[in-house]
Amino acid sequence: DAGITQSPRHKVTETGTPVTLRCHQTENHRYMYWYRQDPGHGLRLIHYSYGVKDTDKGEVSDGYSVSRSKTEDFLLTLESATSSQTSVYFCAISEAVGEKLFFGSGTQLSVL
Amino acid sequence: GNSVTQMEGPVTLSEEAFLTINCTYTATGYPSLFWYVQYPGEGLQLLLKATKADDKGSNKGFEATYRKETTSFHLEKGSVQVSDSAVYFCALAPRNNAGNMLTFGGGTRLMVKP
Repeated sequence: DAGITQSPRHKVTETGTPVTLRCHQTENHRYMYWYRQDPGHGLRLIHYSYGVKDTDKGEVSDGYSVSRSKTEDFLLTLESATSSQTSVYFCAISEAVGEKLFFGSGTQLSVL
Repeated sequence: GNSVTQMEGPVTLSEEAFLTINCTYTATGYPSLFWYVQYPGEGLQLLLKATKADDKGSNKGFEATYRKETTSFHLEKGSVQVSDSAVYFCALAPRNNAGNMLTFGGGTRLMVKP
């Protein structure tokens, strides 16, 4: 299995609070991604990174920011959580364009 | 834009039944196509892929053929097992996509009963 660790695995927070999710990889892959998974929507890309300090927006980036200060770590921040951000969040990595994605085990986030 | 449409689930089958999960796509050019599987409580795993028209991806008894003329990539298995119960996602990656940003379908839950 690809070495991808997401933390925390579960989090419950209140509306308006900041939340940071962490993705850590040991594969030295260049590309890292944050997806959210919601019933009926499949997986939707929030942000991705193509190198240290190189990031770009995905399909559903509003309300989220990311940072990648090291190859192995990709952080997703909700500056002020809202109930619509209750979801399962998956981190993924890939070695190169067109190569398969490896996914972490996910973070279940509940915003009350 | 790019999109992937999958049949809605859940699909419920008895063990050893034949499985088909339909997937059609809309994309510019000739994308790569994928099937990912998600077992309960886990992240997605690549099941199979095809990178050009008429290619057949296969793995663990599952198959899917890249049909350019019908823009489809249907997943099939001749005899399903209880252990195949999972959610299956069809996805595409545009060929000139610098970020390997996959577009996923909504997922199809498969339940196999003994």
